Amino acid sequence: AQKITQTQPGMFVQEKEAVTLDCTYDTSDPSYGLFWYKQPSSGEMIFLIYQGSYDQQNATEGRYSLNFQKARKSANLVISASQLGDSAMYFCAMRELLGNNDMRFGAGTRLTVKP
Amino acid sequence: DTEVTQTPKHLVMGMTNKKSLKCEQHMGHRAMYWYKQKAKKPPELMFVYSYEKLSINESVPSRFSPECPNSSLLNLHLHALQPEDSALYLCASSQGLAGYSDYEQYFGPGTRLTVT
Repeated sequence: AQKITQTQPGMFVQEKEAVTLDCTYDTSDPSYGLFWYKQPSSGEMIFLIYQGSYDQQNATEGRYSLNFQKARKSANLVISASQLGDSAMYFCAMRELLGNNDMRFGAGTRLTVKP
Repeated sequence: DTEVTQTPKHLVMGMTNKKSLKCEQHMGHRAMYWYKQKAKKPPELMFVYSYEKLSINESVPSRFSPECPNSSLLNLHLHALQPEDSALYLCASSQGLAGYSDYEQYFGPGTRLTVT
């Protein structure tokens, strides 16, 4: 059974600084996808970044990058140059190749950006 | 267009009411999902439709009844709900078929349901 762990219930970062949100996962499937979503207080889930298990390079999307360490089964999200609008809940999620399209989420990390 | 729409945005219903939540996407996605999210918790998968057929039912009580009339629409029919069913209900869609792990899910804004 797959499992996603986010050990940081809350994080604070100063505006314009970088922050790393941790995510570890557990799966026996050799083929899987890792995703990060942002959920502001308004409720919508916003897709940020994707990393495939066979990708050789770490994924990047603008100010977001994913620090993928396959051997350690970790997929940390790095947000550079934090902005006040980055304050939100962040969820790490995984879907396995053989998982019938179901995506499982970690418990989430609430990020607060301080001015 | 990467938009998934959900109606209504807010819903208050009594335990004897029958109501429906609606979800629509026009991205040509063939997989659609219903999630339930309680406050300060991650979304929990309820149902998955793939090619308009129910492929996953995560042991959801029968008072929740999903329906996929066509590839663009997904409904969730509600009947005889309990106060503990109050939550944010999120709809999502993806290109992904069974056997693909890399397609992201696009979420709608959700329906905030309160059962009184």
